[in-house]
Amino acid sequence: AQKVTQAQTEISVVEKEDVTLDCVYETRDTTYYLFWYKQPPSGELVFLIRRNSFDEQNEISGRYSWNFQKSTSSFNFTITASQVVDSAVYFCALSEVYNQGGKLIFGQGTELSVKP
Amino acid sequence: ETGVTQTPRHLVMGMTNKKSLKCEQHLGHNAMYWYKQSAKKPLELMFVYNFKEQTENNSVPSRFSPECPNSSHLFLHLHTLQPEDSALYLCASSQDEADHKQQFFGPGTRLTVL
Repeated sequence: AQKVTQAQTEISVVEKEDVTLDCVYETRDTTYYLFWYKQPPSGELVFLIRRNSFDEQNEISGRYSWNFQKSTSSFNFTITASQVVDSAVYFCALSEVYNQGGKLIFGQGTELSVKP
Repeated sequence: ETGVTQTPRHLVMGMTNKKSLKCEQHLGHNAMYWYKQSAKKPLELMFVYNFKEQTENNSVPSRFSPECPNSSHLFLHLHTLQPEDSALYLCASSQDEADHKQQFFGPGTRLTVL
């Protein structure tokens, strides 16, 4: 069955520390997409990245980087030199091409608190 | 202009009330979604509309009734709700249900049922 697990419920760091948010997924589909969203206190989910199952290249965008490893079914997210504005709940999500037709399956979220 | 808007942002209602949540997207998308986000739980998909047709009802109780009059508007009609229905209700849209591109979310309606 399809599933997304974010084992870290809450993480607290001090500004400028690096932090990694873990995401592990389960799927029987060979073709799928993985996403990360950020939910600040305002409520709306903000899209951060989409990665398809055939592209295992790591990606870097400013202070954000993502490590996709199919061998361990993980898609981890690292924030370098964290800032207070990074405080939010972060969701990892899975979208299967054949089994679920495109529905997003979300993990439970990791609440990141960055203290000054 | 904000891509996906939701009104009201906050709603308090009694169990016998009838109210509606509204969602509007200005992105030219064809798919729209309702999600429920309860405390300490993952987002739960409730309904999906693609080109105004309902394509997904995720075993949602009939006290929640969606309506999609056109591709830009989505409503969620509420009646005889229960306190456990209190949650953040998020609307989202995407270009097409099956294109696997990112969904764009609104700010949500924080619903409290007394």
